[in-house]
Amino acid sequence: DTAVSQTPKYLVTQMGNDKSIKCEQNLGHDTMYWYKQDSKKFLKIMFSYNNKELIINETVPNRFSPKSPDKAHLNLHINSLELGDSAVYFCASSQDLGAAGGPKSYEQYFGPGTRLTVT
Amino acid sequence: AQTVTQSQPEMSVQEAETVTLSCTYDTSESDYYLFWYKQPPSRQMILVIRQEAYKQQNATENRFSVNFQKAAKSFSLKISDSQLGDAAMYFCAYRSEAAGNKLTFGGGTRVLVKP
Repeated sequence: DTAVSQTPKYLVTQMGNDKSIKCEQNLGHDTMYWYKQDSKKFLKIMFSYNNKELIINETVPNRFSPKSPDKAHLNLHINSLELGDSAVYFCASSQDLGAAGGPKSYEQYFGPGTRLTVT
Repeated sequence: AQTVTQSQPEMSVQEAETVTLSCTYDTSESDYYLFWYKQPPSRQMILVIRQEAYKQQNATENRFSVNFQKAAKSFSLKISDSQLGDAAMYFCAYRSEAAGNKLTFGGGTRVLVKP
């Protein structure tokens, strides 16, 4: 059972194209995130959503647009791809708001990553 | 804004020996969480251990333990009885509720395990 899944795992595309990366979590978590890992392995937050509401938008170009159709899915759409967008993109989820009597997990569980290569 | 610093780009350890990875962070918050994640060549991010700032007791998970020094803002990871499977990048991460629960990562330390 995959807890956090991403598709595709590899994506090769040309500059100027538009592409999407999909993320799904079956952990019942209420918060999902997108992180970017650059060629030097540095990881940085891009977005987070809690119950379909945007919580974090970390100075990411407007070409990047997250979409959360429901709390189990957070997709990332990228318009007009540029060479500098080449990176590994990670989706993650966590239970950040405890329901009445329910636990918070705090840990973020990551998907396998999507390696995006823009040529 | 919080910052996380890992000063060791790479560490090498003999199999069965112990290695300690350093991590320091900068914050004005009093309540937060700290994590160590492992990233093997498969690139999967795997949670190794977590520490709540309000707990004085250092967290341990099998062969992994931390030395949390809140006043010094230091959070080192000790890997005991190193195994070949421990070879990976290790990332220290800081979680801030005030900043929307995002994780701020250090630059990573690559651990090499020699047989």
